[in-house]
Amino acid sequence: NAGVTQTPKFQVLKTGQSMTLQCAQDMNHEYMSWYRQDPGMGLRLIHYSVGAGITDQGEVPNGYNVSRSTTEDFPLRLLSAAPSQTSVYFCASSYSGLAVEQFFGPGTRLTVL
Amino acid sequence: DQQVKQNSPSLSVQEGRISILNCDYTNSMFDYFLWYKKYPAEGPTFLISISSIKDKNEDGRFTVFLNKSAKHLSLHIVPSQPGDSAVYFCAASDSGNTPLVFGKGTRLSVIA
Repeated sequence: NAGVTQTPKFQVLKTGQSMTLQCAQDMNHEYMSWYRQDPGMGLRLIHYSVGAGITDQGEVPNGYNVSRSTTEDFPLRLLSAAPSQTSVYFCASSYSGLAVEQFFGPGTRLTVL
Repeated sequence: DQQVKQNSPSLSVQEGRISILNCDYTNSMFDYFLWYKKYPAEGPTFLISISSIKDKNEDGRFTVFLNKSAKHLSLHIVPSQPGDSAVYFCAASDSGNTPLVFGKGTRLSVIA
């Protein structure tokens, strides 16, 4: 099993550009989440999904969209990048719920100029 | 308002000694607590958890203690090793299938 994979590992964008961060898992987990990590801020939840076709907002959803068309994939879309979205993004998945152990991907480091 | 607080941003411990990382929470509905460990340029990895029906859970060198009345938990690492140097995140949930709430993390440095 590859676990949770994220692409790209690094990305630099200009303000106003859009892009999609990819996340995939091969563990047949129903639950998937996106977090961002900023210095001194810990891990903050952006969006999450409890199954294919079902998504919901987390603590900091503004400026991001998600969709879950398959169990395996959970892409995160930045519609119009802003410098405030410079961060490290982690995707996570779990097998039995949101409130239990999450398996994290290696992260995507995004810089918005 | 922060529901999960890790008030020490960093901690430095000598190799072989005990490391104690602390975490406080404000939401009395939280009943499941986890610790994650994160190395630079990697994703967090699950370390240990505890349910509110227990006050202690042990896994090798790692022990988590829960004091429900004080809304406080701590992670003890004994003995500390240089490979334990990482950022440790405390997380909590109410087991109602609502997402985990994470603290801001504590950076542990174990000095050889």
